[in-house]
Amino acid sequence: AQSVSQHNHHVILSEAASLELGCNYSYGGTVNLFWYVQYPGQHLQLLLKYFSGDPLVKGIKGFEAEFIKSKFSFNLRKPSVQWSDTAEYFCAAGAGSYQLTFGKGTKLSVIP
Amino acid sequence: DGGITQSPKYLFRKEGQNVTLSCEQNLNHDAMYWYRQDPGQGLRLIYYSQIVNDFQKGDIAEGYSVSREKKESFPLTVTSAQKNPTAFYLCASSGVTGYQPQHFGDGTRLSIL
Repeated sequence: AQSVSQHNHHVILSEAASLELGCNYSYGGTVNLFWYVQYPGQHLQLLLKYFSGDPLVKGIKGFEAEFIKSKFSFNLRKPSVQWSDTAEYFCAAGAGSYQLTFGKGTKLSVIP
Repeated sequence: DGGITQSPKYLFRKEGQNVTLSCEQNLNHDAMYWYRQDPGQGLRLIYYSQIVNDFQKGDIAEGYSVSREKKESFPLTVTSAQKNPTAFYLCASSGVTGYQPQHFGDGTRLSIL
């Protein structure tokens, strides 16, 4: 069965600290990978996506993620977080757009 | 602006009642989805539809029903058979050609009185 694991339930960082959120997936065959963000009171927004090609993908707001096939990982990174990055982050995997499997989410709290 | 509209934002239901959540999109997307979001559980797929008049069960379809009579609309009914309906419900849509990400609505929070 497909599954997505996010290692951290809640991460607390000070502004300007570097961020890395872990995501591992268990998925047979070709996989498409996504990171979504849910800011307080807002709908889920796509941060970035990986379908093929360069395993280092850049998204909005300075986020990036690296697809490491051998480790079944798709970790999200940002060199320097801001208070406005406080949100919940979801990793998702699937074949195409159908039946995405989401991780349980990681809450990020950034302290000014 | 194109997007997904879910209504109402908050919904209250009495025990034993069915309730229908609305989802409308004007993105011209063929595929639509319903997810349930519970704290610490992430998003779990309830139903999805790739085309009008067709839909498939997701991981947690029991106690729910859907219809897809129009491309723009994908209403979800939470029936009295759903034992734990209190949750945040999210509707999404996507294209079906190539690799297209899902776009989400603002959600409906359902509570049992």
